Amino acid sequence: GVTQSPTHLIKTRGQQVTLRCSSQSGHNTVSWYQQALGQGPQFIFQYYREEENGRGNFPPRFSGLQFPNDSSELNVNALELDDSALYLCASSLATGPFTEQFFGPGTRLTVL
Amino acid sequence: GIQVEQSPPDLILQEGANSTLRCNFSDSVNNLQWFHQNPWGQLINLFYIPSGTKQNGRLSATTVATERYSLLYISSSQTTDSGVYFCAVGSGTALIFGKGTTLSVSS
Repeated sequence: GVTQSPTHLIKTRGQQVTLRCSSQSGHNTVSWYQQALGQGPQFIFQYYREEENGRGNFPPRFSGLQFPNDSSELNVNALELDDSALYLCASSLATGPFTEQFFGPGTRLTVL
Repeated sequence: GIQVEQSPPDLILQEGANSTLRCNFSDSVNNLQWFHQNPWGQLINLFYIPSGTKQNGRLSATTVATERYSLLYISSSQTTDSGVYFCAVGSGTALIFGKGTTLSVSS
């Protein structure tokens, strides 16, 4: 399945953070979502073949990478208190609207 | 953009009861998924159902794409069914989630 690390993370405002995700075997597309407390997940961006392939309404300080082995990173610079959330990674067999996405267990980020 | 509305927001059941969760969406979609989020935050895939009806054990789902809604049925509910149920629809490369239905099943 999809794995994510770390499980929990505490940072202070202004710092930078890197979250990691390993896709399900055979999947070449990875998407990242942010879930604030009490809300549904919100789409940050998607990567396909190591290129950004769609982006939600998030500022440029949210950036990502996808590696040849289909693992992925989410980087957030200049952390703000509102960045405290559960960050979910999802992988899928392909990009496009007909594709089922499978989620990892998430990384819970707390910004103090 | 596309809007996804789920109802009811909260549901409290006794073990053994049946329930129906509803998801309305504002535009035609090519992808609709139902998830169960457990207390640890993990989103578990229940159904990939852009149209038609599917069943998996005590759970079943129906999507009527032409009328822009989907239903999730839970029969003979168990305490382990507790958690938040999300409907999500595809829009481009993104999944757009509703706010969820929080289900509490007591013994």
